[in-house]
Amino acid sequence: EGQLVESGGGLVQPGKSLRLTCVASGYRLGSFAVSWVRQAPGKGLEWVSSISGSGGVTNYADSVKGRFTISRDNSKNTVYIQMDGLRVEDAAVYFCAKASSGGTQRVRFDQWGQGTLVTVSS
Amino acid sequence: DIVMTQSPLYLPVTPGEPASISCRSSQSLLHTNGYNYLDWYLQKPGQSPQLLIYLGSTRASGVPDRFSGSGSGTDFTLTISRVEADDVGIYYCMQGLQSPFTFGPGTKVDIK
Repeated sequence: EGQLVESGGGLVQPGKSLRLTCVASGYRLGSFAVSWVRQAPGKGLEWVSSISGSGGVTNYADSVKGRFTISRDNSKNTVYIQMDGLRVEDAAVYFCAKASSGGTQRVRFDQWGQGTLVTVSS
Repeated sequence: DIVMTQSPLYLPVTPGEPASISCRSSQSLLHTNGYNYLDWYLQKPGQSPQLLIYLGSTRASGVPDRFSGSGSGTDFTLTISRVEADDVGIYYCMQGLQSPFTFGPGTKVDIK
């Protein structure tokens, strides 16, 4: 069935940058769109960004548009999210989630990683 | 953006009894292809979310048949026919029709 593993989280000061990585094992991630979904401590789920299987289409939540950049390297079975200009309100567990198809519309997330914690504090 | 609401937000349940959660969307989730793009996820304590139901009523692989989804358009329901202790956690509905994908606030299910 395979799995998704996130990494790259940590403690960062406001205004600084962080890059998260999501690696898939057991299947070709390039056939599927991938999203990042975050969960602030004690809060619900918030979709952040999506990238199509080919990488040609990306979407962002308004709360991160212009600050976060999603990308992928299908040769490495990996999706990234570059987070610049981090704010205190960006602190959360970030999950990568695999869609059931390659497109970024009409999706369902049929596999999730375990998440990586991002803490933004001075 | 499509706004998702759920009720109740907290649901104490008795093992063996049925339970249901309601989810409503601010816009219809029925696509012209005839499918409703409404998913249900369960986040068990300390775990990442897992897909339970997609397209409003289709159980994901490995999901027990005591879970069922129903509804169309803007009103949906997740039903557990006989709750088990392992079903505790937070249940989220999510619209997958269009970006930005939006989740409901979650319903915490706990054993009485």
